[in-house]
Amino acid sequence: DTGVSQNPRHKITKRGQNVTFRCDPISEHNRLYWYRQTLGQGPEFLTYFQNEAQLEKSRLLSDRFSAERPKGSFSTLEIQRTEQGDSAMYLCASSSPGLAGGAGAQYFGPGTRLTVL
Amino acid sequence: SQQGEEDPQALSIQEGENATMNCSYKTSINNLQWYRQNSGRGLVHLILIRSNEREKHSGRLRVTLDTSKKSSSLLITASRAADTASYFCATRGNSGGYQKVTFGIGTKLQVIP
Repeated sequence: DTGVSQNPRHKITKRGQNVTFRCDPISEHNRLYWYRQTLGQGPEFLTYFQNEAQLEKSRLLSDRFSAERPKGSFSTLEIQRTEQGDSAMYLCASSSPGLAGGAGAQYFGPGTRLTVL
Repeated sequence: SQQGEEDPQALSIQEGENATMNCSYKTSINNLQWYRQNSGRGLVHLILIRSNEREKHSGRLRVTLDTSKKSSSLLITASRAADTASYFCATRGNSGGYQKVTFGIGTKLQVIP
């Protein structure tokens, strides 16, 4: 399978616990994105990596959230001290540089659904 | 904040009919993209239209872009039950540097067999 993969697919945790999600992008894509999606809404941008560099972070990404892409391949998103409001689908996407400097098509993984009890 | 706003938010049609969804946005863009999402799944990229393009086709999909009105439409012709999904427009700004892609809240399409 050469698409974007995410693990785990589902995570149930108790409030206050830490959770970590993993994303494996398409191998030749140097750009990686994390989004959060709640029911009935579109994906909300969280952060963006170009290779191993984290170039953009949303204000939605509080200090309890941290993302890494240590070798420019897979990425992890950690949420510390989870809150019930963190319950959402966390989506990862990857892309290659777009033509003429524009962002090209993003290829999404299946997402990790987080439920915080 | 969500830049794109899709209209209608929900649409129900009979199989074989055409489905039209609209997207409006606020700031100038580099490109606009349409995605499909089946329930509980990730998003699938459908089509990208650049700001200097007015119309684009891909199979049964036709996308138009009117930058003067800051709006786009997605037409699905001869709809099938398998087209049932949520459809999102996503815009990328053009004011330099990295401009994130911003998604709307989507149109939920139901195609009745």
